[in-house]
Amino acid sequence: AQTVTQSQPEMSVQEAETVTLSCTYDTSENNYYLFWYKQPPSRQMILVIRQEAYKQQNATENRFSVNFQKAAKSFSLKISDSQLGDTAMYFCAFMTVSGGYQKVTFGTGTKLQVIP
Amino acid sequence: DTGVSQDPRHKITKRGQNVTFRCDPISEHNRLYWYRQTLGQGPEFLTYFQNEAQLEKSRLLSDRFSAERPKGSFSTLEIQRTEQGDSAMYLCASSLEAYGYTFGSGTRLTVV
Repeated sequence: AQTVTQSQPEMSVQEAETVTLSCTYDTSENNYYLFWYKQPPSRQMILVIRQEAYKQQNATENRFSVNFQKAAKSFSLKISDSQLGDTAMYFCAFMTVSGGYQKVTFGTGTKLQVIP
Repeated sequence: DTGVSQDPRHKITKRGQNVTFRCDPISEHNRLYWYRQTLGQGPEFLTYFQNEAQLEKSRLLSDRFSAERPKGSFSTLEIQRTEQGDSAMYLCASSLEAYGYTFGSGTRLTVV
């Protein structure tokens, strides 16, 4: 079974600064996908960034980038130039696609507070 | 098609009552998922449909829970004889291939 661990329950960052959220996972699969999802308070969960395990290049989406270390099974999220709207719960997630079946396993989340 | 819709947004029910939630996925998505999220936790997998077939159910889904997806379109999740421990946010998501889920806004259930 796959597990996803987020060891930072809460973090804070000053507006305009950079913050890195950590995530590790455990799997015996070789083909999988990793995600970071954002869940603002009382709002819908949305996909922030996606990484295919077979790609060595780290994914980037505007101010969001990841540091994917496959051998270490580490997948951290870096948020640059933090904005107040980045305040949310952030969930790291793992998806296996064996047999055409997708199942996403989520970590317990990191609550990020951006301070003005 | 504006995304995944869930109805109702909030439901308060008395212990022992039955409740039913509805999820309308993105129309071209053939995969549909139900998750449960309790306060301060990540979503936990409940069940998965590919088209109208329910392919997996979590051990979390006791006999009081049933999910359907007739005709491979919308899905319903029913909880019979609700218990206080069923209080949670119930999330529906849909997907097409391996592009990640699109989530609905969820149904928050409170059992009193």
